[in-house]
Amino acid sequence: QKEVEQDPGPLSVPEGAIVSLNCTYSNSAFQYFMWYRQYSRKGPELLMYTYSSGNKEDGRFTAQVDKSSKYISLFIRDSQPSDSATYLCAMIPNQAGTALIFGKGTTLSVSS
Amino acid sequence: NAGVMQNPRHLVRRRGQEARLRCSPMKGHSHVYWYRQLPEEGLKFMVYLQKENIIDESGMPKERFSAEFPKEGPSILRIQQVVRGDSAAYFCASSPLESTEAFFGQGTRLTVV
Repeated sequence: QKEVEQDPGPLSVPEGAIVSLNCTYSNSAFQYFMWYRQYSRKGPELLMYTYSSGNKEDGRFTAQVDKSSKYISLFIRDSQPSDSATYLCAMIPNQAGTALIFGKGTTLSVSS
Repeated sequence: NAGVMQNPRHLVRRRGQEARLRCSPMKGHSHVYWYRQLPEEGLKFMVYLQKENIIDESGMPKERFSAEFPKEGPSILRIQQVVRGDSAAYFCASSPLESTEAFFGQGTRLTVV
């Protein structure tokens, strides 16, 4: 079983839809969780960073962490064509200075 | 405040040559990470460095690959005697000393011909 599982998609939605992206993980030592957005042929861009279980909201984006189920989600409200990208979840097992472990990424396409 | 700078953005090498990839972390960041991304695959950790120290190289191939982060200057990922299978996008990320947030550069796309 891989440490971090993420459905690669592709996921296609119409503009304005609510998008749900998810990752599961197996290592209960993971404490910090991140979502990155990567446009084609660009570097990953940090979108959300969370530590505790629960929700964290930033504009149209909401990150949700459920440590008991080892499950994290990213919700995008009112999706836009500019949201079309690959979304990568990443997590760290302990404190600062440890390498991120990534999911394979989910490719999202938002059509206008 | 400039982000993580990687150069070159594109690098073409013939089989058997050496490839040198450079990464300048964000100002104030003392941790550098190198990742490799193959087509249709996620980011794979290679090595984690602090100034003059390799902290974790568990993701580095045992041969031909090396990395350094000297006291002065950028971090360097060196690939000796490149083979076609080394063709990939190589990303560098940096983070501050007391933070887990890592910021990525735009990557170097290595093509071995």
